[in-house]
Amino acid sequence: EIVLTQSPGTLSLSPGERATLSCRASQSVSSSYLGWYQQKPGQAPRLVIFSVSSRAPDIPARFSGSGSGTDFTLTISRLEPEDFAVYYCLHYGKQRWTFGQGTKVDI
Amino acid sequence: EEQLVESGGDLVQPGGSLRLSCVGSGFNFSRFEMNWVRQTPGKGLEWVSYISKSGTNIEYADSVKGRFIISRDNARHSLFLQMNSLRVDDTAMYYCARDRAYPDIWGQGTTVTVSS
Repeated sequence: EIVLTQSPGTLSLSPGERATLSCRASQSVSSSYLGWYQQKPGQAPRLVIFSVSSRAPDIPARFSGSGSGTDFTLTISRLEPEDFAVYYCLHYGKQRWTFGQGTKVDI
Repeated sequence: EEQLVESGGDLVQPGGSLRLSCVGSGFNFSRFEMNWVRQTPGKGLEWVSYISKSGTNIEYADSVKGRFIISRDNARHSLFLQMNSLRVDDTAMYYCARDRAYPDIWGQGTTVTVSS
């Protein structure tokens, strides 16, 4: 079973700054089965990125994903107030999902 | 609008049972695989169970295998999770999620609390 480790646990930034979130897998992730989700308090997770780098519908272009093998990154180029939330990476495949423990992007 | 709505969460004693439901609307429910995912403050997001479009293929997390049963009724656009032999560590928010290989749509969640 693949284990996903996210870092840092909390990222304290200001609006307009760049956010770089990391997700490391315990073994190589095949076929680009890696996604990112945003969750705000009291809400369900929301899909941001799938297949490593594809933005979900209605997700602004300031969000981008990259990486391969075991190391993946979610970048928010210029933080907007609505971007402050918890972000989770997800490995999907073989009808089983594994989530990272989350990174909180904090003001 | 494509959406999922869960219901059935409640306070239940250890050893008890509960049945969660999830109704889909705004999309062809029978064309999608479906999953249950739970979330606790301590353990974060945890995948619970998967069911194929027809219901013939099913998977469970080891933590719930033998206690939970996933099912669906495509005619009623509905997904279910029968939860038996509930334990304190099953306490969580339970979400249903549509499966496009990855979860693309989530319900708002239903809260299950297992406590004496």
